[in-house]
Amino acid sequence: AQTVTQSQPEMSVQEAETVTLSCTYDTSESDYYLFWYKQPPSRQMILVIRQEAYKQQNATENRFSVNFQKAAKSFSLKISDSQLGDAAMYFCAYRSSLLGRFNKFYFGSGTKLNVKP
Amino acid sequence: SAVISQKPSRDICQRGTSLTIQCQVDSQVTMMFWYRQQPGQSLTLIATANQGSEATYESGFVIDKFPISRPNLTFSTLTVSNMSPEDSSIYLCSVVSDSGANVLTFGAGSRLTVL
Repeated sequence: AQTVTQSQPEMSVQEAETVTLSCTYDTSESDYYLFWYKQPPSRQMILVIRQEAYKQQNATENRFSVNFQKAAKSFSLKISDSQLGDAAMYFCAYRSSLLGRFNKFYFGSGTKLNVKP
Repeated sequence: SAVISQKPSRDICQRGTSLTIQCQVDSQVTMMFWYRQQPGQSLTLIATANQGSEATYESGFVIDKFPISRPNLTFSTLTVSNMSPEDSSIYLCSVVSDSGANVLTFGAGSRLTVL
């Protein structure tokens, strides 16, 4: 099965600064999807950003961008101009594009992001 | 994206009892899933809820412990049976929209505490 690794259990960033969360994954597939999800304390899990493996261009959503390195199987999330509301658990996730495995999302262990005022 | 209503949002249960969690989606979806998130942990897929047939369980999860119903394309229930303190977790209903966005959308979760 695919594995997703987030090596940073917890990180801190000063408000208005930039922080990068790391994620690596293990797969033998060539086509797949990658995601970053955010789970604020006691609140709902929401999608931050997604990336299709066949796209070379890195995805961007406002202050959130990714650095997708397919050969290195790396998918980091950069948060620019950090805000207090960015404080949350961030989960990296992988989804296969292959039939039969298509429904499964594999999640990393999460990174807790603290934002200091 | 789909809007998911999940209830109860939280409950405190006694050991040995069972609790059913309901998940209602505002649109028809083919793929619906149940996840468990133990305290401070990541998400673990319990099962895929299949409309009109038995759910597909992941390794380590069995139907007797986690019976799932999926009577139609907008609704599902997960029952946690014969609960023990180890079942204290957040249980999350999630769906993938049929629109082809390939994104997993989550309900707000049901936080169960078993005493």
